[in-house]
Amino acid sequence: KAGVTQTPRYLIKTRGQQVTLSCSPISGHRSVSWYQQTPGQGLQFLFEYFSETQRNKGNFPGRFSGRQFSNSRSEMNVSTLELGDSALYLCASSFTGLSGYEQYFGPGTRLTVT
Amino acid sequence: GQSLEQPSEVTAVEGAIVQINCTYQTSGFYGLSWYQQHDGGAPTFLSYNALDGLEETGRFSSFLSRSDSYGYLLLQELQMKDSASYFCAVKYYGNNRLAFGKGNQVVVIP
Repeated sequence: KAGVTQTPRYLIKTRGQQVTLSCSPISGHRSVSWYQQTPGQGLQFLFEYFSETQRNKGNFPGRFSGRQFSNSRSEMNVSTLELGDSALYLCASSFTGLSGYEQYFGPGTRLTVT
Repeated sequence: GQSLEQPSEVTAVEGAIVQINCTYQTSGFYGLSWYQQHDGGAPTFLSYNALDGLEETGRFSSFLSRSDSYGYLLLQELQMKDSASYFCAVKYYGNNRLAFGKGNQVVVIP
């Protein structure tokens, strides 16, 4: 079974631009979560989607948004990029995302904002 | 509050045993998970404790004590490939977010 895939793997943007990142979960998984990872803050939860609905959201500004499609693929968007948005963005999928504990992470998209 | 604390770095020789601690300040969570992340790689699931006690998975064991708000991951018979960052994480009741500790970097030397 193929793992979680993320595209692109690397991205360089300038301040003020916007970016869209894509995540394809493991086949059959309906929950997709997004995380931001930085050296200073570690892994921080952005949001979680299940059956095309945002089920939970972390403490990030409204510039961070996402969506999920009927095939469970998910995208996240960051508008008006700031230098501090430079990070590794990870998505993780699980079957239902409920009390289950195991999430499968993709390789991440490394975003650099200049 | 809801936070997880982990010490930052430990260096150990091959064959040694390393214990990585995780203390948390939260209540109402499903269980404590552990993830491994190599440099440049994705976090991968290692172990999970839903109940108090020790869970053993090969060379890795994990422990949870809810009454002490404490858990640990034990790495035995260290190998060079175990050099990585290790994160503890909890999933809270009522939502589906995984909250991660800052991670502990383990460096294995010959």
